[in-house]
Amino acid sequence: EPEVTQTPSHQVTQMGQEVILRCVPISNHLYFYWYRQILGQKVEFLVSFYNNEISEKSEIFDDQFSVERPDGSNFTLKIRSTKLEDSAMYFCASSEAGYQPQHFGDGTRLSIL
Amino acid sequence: QKEVEQNSGPLSVPEGAIASLNCTYSDRGSQSFFWYRQYSGKSPELIMFIYSNGDKEDGRFTAQLNKASQYVSLLIRDSQPSDSATYLCAVNGILTGGGNKLTFGTGTQLKVEL
Repeated sequence: EPEVTQTPSHQVTQMGQEVILRCVPISNHLYFYWYRQILGQKVEFLVSFYNNEISEKSEIFDDQFSVERPDGSNFTLKIRSTKLEDSAMYFCASSEAGYQPQHFGDGTRLSIL
Repeated sequence: QKEVEQNSGPLSVPEGAIASLNCTYSDRGSQSFFWYRQYSGKSPELIMFIYSNGDKEDGRFTAQLNKASQYVSLLIRDSQPSDSATYLCAVNGILTGGGNKLTFGTGTQLKVEL
């Protein structure tokens, strides 16, 4: 069964450093998303991406965050200058259409020291 | 502020029993409703989705939607110890023509006891 793949599974970074989290969505899906989940808290929406542009973003997704689809398969989330509070699990998801089920990758655990 | 509310639990049921998980949502414009299962330290795994009022069955799982009451539920029949997990209710907003964010509840922890 097709799945969303994310790399790396765990990223440890010093505060202030840039990180790039990578995702390969399911191949026939057109809508891509990033969510995060701080330990013990609910899953929170960050950004949605369709037709090579951001379609919606949350208040969390400030100027330090950016997304890109550099080629036909990868979808990346960049955090320019990480803060301690960016420590969380980051999940990539994709769906065929906007209203259809979103399928999640295994996540990247981001630890900021 | 669009909210999705769930009882955090834990909900304990004996093996073989029916587990009933409930969720309410505040945005009347919500269009699509999803149940995800999340094991500790893992990612959300899609269990069921429902778009229309009524019941939708898939194997041991039944999703129920009542838009007038803004209520979604998930029934798990013949509960197994492997069903022990946190169940997340997620709601998709008004279709805008672009991607649609999911708003998640905090999840209900289910424990199926031998």
